[in-house]
Amino acid sequence: DTGVSQDPRHKITKRGQNVTFRCDPISEHNRLYWYRQTLGQGPEFLTYFQNEAQLEKSRLLSDRFSAERPKGSFSTLEIQRTEQGDSAMYLCASSLRSNTEAFFGQGTRLTVV
Amino acid sequence: AQTVTQSQPEMSVQEAETVTLSCTYDTSESDYYLFWYKQPPSRQMILVIRQEAYKQQNATENRFSVNFQKAAKSFSLKISDSQLGDAAMYFCADKGGSQGNLIFGKGTKLSVKP
Repeated sequence: DTGVSQDPRHKITKRGQNVTFRCDPISEHNRLYWYRQTLGQGPEFLTYFQNEAQLEKSRLLSDRFSAERPKGSFSTLEIQRTEQGDSAMYLCASSLRSNTEAFFGQGTRLTVV
Repeated sequence: AQTVTQSQPEMSVQEAETVTLSCTYDTSESDYYLFWYKQPPSRQMILVIRQEAYKQQNATENRFSVNFQKAAKSFSLKISDSQLGDAAMYFCADKGGSQGNLIFGKGTKLSVKP
């Protein structure tokens, strides 16, 4: 297992377009997290899954954002009608249990022009 | 609301010297975990060290150790014998036992001078 992988690594999109990111967690990890990180800031929590169930969503996750984790494996994060303020690094992490460390992917850097 | 505060936006240390990064947190949880993560430039975030709040003994991982002061809600990271590869952003994070997610501070950018 090579760890948490995210695709794509970079995405440039025009304002108003929809984008979708994918995260493949470490295979035996049942928890999967999405974070957003803007320049000079720490990661901010967006949402997390335990297996296929989405258990918590941050108020940062507006109606334009949706995340899924079908079958409790990989996860997708979709942003509809992108805005310039959505430009950020989107990080995915996974953990075995709630009290174990989270392993992070390399992130997807989104630029909205 | 839970908050994590890192009051040092940037720190600098001479190679082979020791540096301490500060972190304070505010949580209402009785059972929680504290972490230091390292994020090198353009590379993924990796765990440096973790501390369970119920443990009184400070965690240590090779050259990295913490000073956990539970009553003061302080969780500082000490890096001994600093190496050039230690240069990175360091994030302090808190996770309550009943919560699913990590709460991060804004980070401290550590530079290591040869």
